[in-house]
Amino acid sequence: EIVLTQSPGTLSLSLGERATLSCRTSQSVTNNFLAWYQQKPDQAPRLLIYAISRRATGISDRFSGSGSGTDFTLTISSLEPEDFAVYYCQQYGGSPSRFIFGPGTKVDV
Amino acid sequence: EVQLVESGGGLLQPGGSLRLSCVGSGFTFSGYWTHWVRQAPGKGLVWVSRIDNDGSSTTYADSVKGRFTISRDNAKSTLYLQMNSLRAEDTAVYYCARSWEGAFDLWGQGTVVTVSS
Repeated sequence: EIVLTQSPGTLSLSLGERATLSCRTSQSVTNNFLAWYQQKPDQAPRLLIYAISRRATGISDRFSGSGSGTDFTLTISSLEPEDFAVYYCQQYGGSPSRFIFGPGTKVDV
Repeated sequence: EVQLVESGGGLLQPGGSLRLSCVGSGFTFSGYWTHWVRQAPGKGLVWVSRIDNDGSSTTYADSVKGRFTISRDNAKSTLYLQMNSLRAEDTAVYYCARSWEGAFDLWGQGTVVTVSS
């Protein structure tokens, strides 16, 4: 069974600062099936990054994804007010194949 | 507009049944795997179930296997989730979503299911 771990649980930063969020998977990612989502209170999640490093349609280039194997990073280059939210990583894989989310990282002021 | 719209949530007692629906529009519904993802109050996202493009293959999370059934009607661009033997721990916002390249690229607004006596 795949397990995703995100760190830190909460990241307290200021406007303009760089945010670095970590996601570790218990099984190596195959086919680059690793994605990141942003969720604000009372809203549905929004896809930010798919295939480890590809930005979804309409996503600011402030957001970037990187990593390989079992260690992955979402970076927000310079925090804007609308970036304060919870961020989830997600992997598709395993046997049988499943979609698994990490527990989330909250980015707040 | 490309969107997914869920309906069918509600309040019911443990052991009850409910069917959720999700209508897709603005895209070729049959071209995508579609899923249900839930989020309990104050908790994270949990994938529940997926169905492939033509409904021939389904997969479930262990927590709902044998109790929930996912299905779709491509002629109506609609995804369903039949939920039986509901438990308090099934209380959540239920989102439908489509996937592409292993990621959920389109989400509905969610429908609330509350299981309580």
